[in-house]
Amino acid sequence: DAMVIQNPRYQVTQFGKPVTLSCSQTLNHNVMYWYQQKSSQAPKLLFHYYDKDFNNEADTPDNFQSRRPNTSFCFLDIRSPGLGDAAMYLCATSRDPGGSTDTQYFGPGTRLTVL
Amino acid sequence: AQSVAQPEDQVNVAEGNPLTVKCTYSVSGNPYLFWYVQYPNRGLQFLLKYITGDNLVKGSYGFEAEFNKSQTSFHLKKPSALVSDSALYFCAVRAIQTGANNLFFGTGTRLTVIP
Repeated sequence: DAMVIQNPRYQVTQFGKPVTLSCSQTLNHNVMYWYQQKSSQAPKLLFHYYDKDFNNEADTPDNFQSRRPNTSFCFLDIRSPGLGDAAMYLCATSRDPGGSTDTQYFGPGTRLTVL
Repeated sequence: AQSVAQPEDQVNVAEGNPLTVKCTYSVSGNPYLFWYVQYPNRGLQFLLKYITGDNLVKGSYGFEAEFNKSQTSFHLKKPSALVSDSALYFCAVRAIQTGANNLFFGTGTRLTVIP
């Protein structure tokens, strides 16, 4: 089945220790997104890639970076995690950002704990 | 600016009874409206969306939603609730004219279906 896969499902890191979260998709979608969802809050878009074009949200901290080496994979790098970065990180994909009927499909998420 | 309001943090309903989860929105221009469901420690699953046309939209798992432009609402409904419907429900909006694909999510409504 075509899907969005995130690894690992649970990640524990130490304060200030860089961490990378992984997302892959078999949908062959052009767009990949990263959202941050803190406890009992709505998902918040961090950035997205349209093919190789990176689009950062204005209020995304510089501590968060992303890489998309190919269509299938996208990584979220947190350079120096703080306690406030503990959250669920959701990856999503969509076919075409300008399409009128475009729907985002989400992976299961990675829950990040910062000690 | 786009925004979404889900006025109820929690909705309880007895199994077999109809359920409604409320959502109101604010956008400049015509909206694209979405409902997603999130089960514990899982990503968001797409339920349904309104783009244009018939105001009553049918989606997955027997859910439907009614777009009401005059009331700027997009309430999620189901005629007969199941215990397995218990989850966190998010309404989201995307403004058509912005050209961006940013989804603005509400804060979520936790639905509990009581056996």
